[in-house]
Amino acid sequence: AQSVTQLGSHVSVSEGALVLLRCNYSSSVPPYLFWYVQYPNQGLQLLLKYTTGATLVKGINGFEAEFKKSETSFHLTKPSAHMSDAAEYFCAVSDRSGGSYIPTFGRGTSLIVHP
Amino acid sequence: ETGVTQSPTHLIKTRGQQVTLRCSSQSGHNTVSWYQQALGQGPQFIFQYYREEENGRGNFPPRFSGLQFPNYSSELNVNALELDDSALYLCASTIPGGGAYNEQFFGPGTRLTVL
Repeated sequence: AQSVTQLGSHVSVSEGALVLLRCNYSSSVPPYLFWYVQYPNQGLQLLLKYTTGATLVKGINGFEAEFKKSETSFHLTKPSAHMSDAAEYFCAVSDRSGGSYIPTFGRGTSLIVHP
Repeated sequence: ETGVTQSPTHLIKTRGQQVTLRCSSQSGHNTVSWYQQALGQGPQFIFQYYREEENGRGNFPPRFSGLQFPNYSSELNVNALELDDSALYLCASTIPGGGAYNEQFFGPGTRLTVL
């Protein structure tokens, strides 16, 4: 069974600074990996996903993530944080279970952006 | 095109009661999944419905049950409510033929409080 570990329940950065949110996964098969963002009182929104091919994936709002198989990691980065990036971020891995693909989410990392 | 909607937004129940939560999928989506998100945690997969049949289930007891209707709207029913059932319940829909790499579109959730 797959699992996801997000290091750091809270990450605090200054506006304009680099954002780095860490995600490590375990999966017995090549994984499909996702990052979702959740703003207060809203559902989750897809930022980006890795399926196959290029290991550097670009998403919305200037975010990107790199799939590193040797490190079983899929860390999320953004060169310059904006106040509007403050939200909860979830890493997820999708793996086949029976007749469907079941996503497993990490516990989430709360991004705090200081002016 | 309307997104995924859920009702009600908030609900308060007492232990032992039963509750029904509702979800309308995004137009054209025939697969719906339900998740439980406890405070400070990532979403936990409850089950998935595809063409009105359960297509996958997470580690939740049978008192969690669901339905999907011909118009692809869905219900989550929870019997014999327990205090630990207090959480945000999220519904997500996926495009037809959804596989592991297909994006899930989430609703804003229903906040259930069990007293």
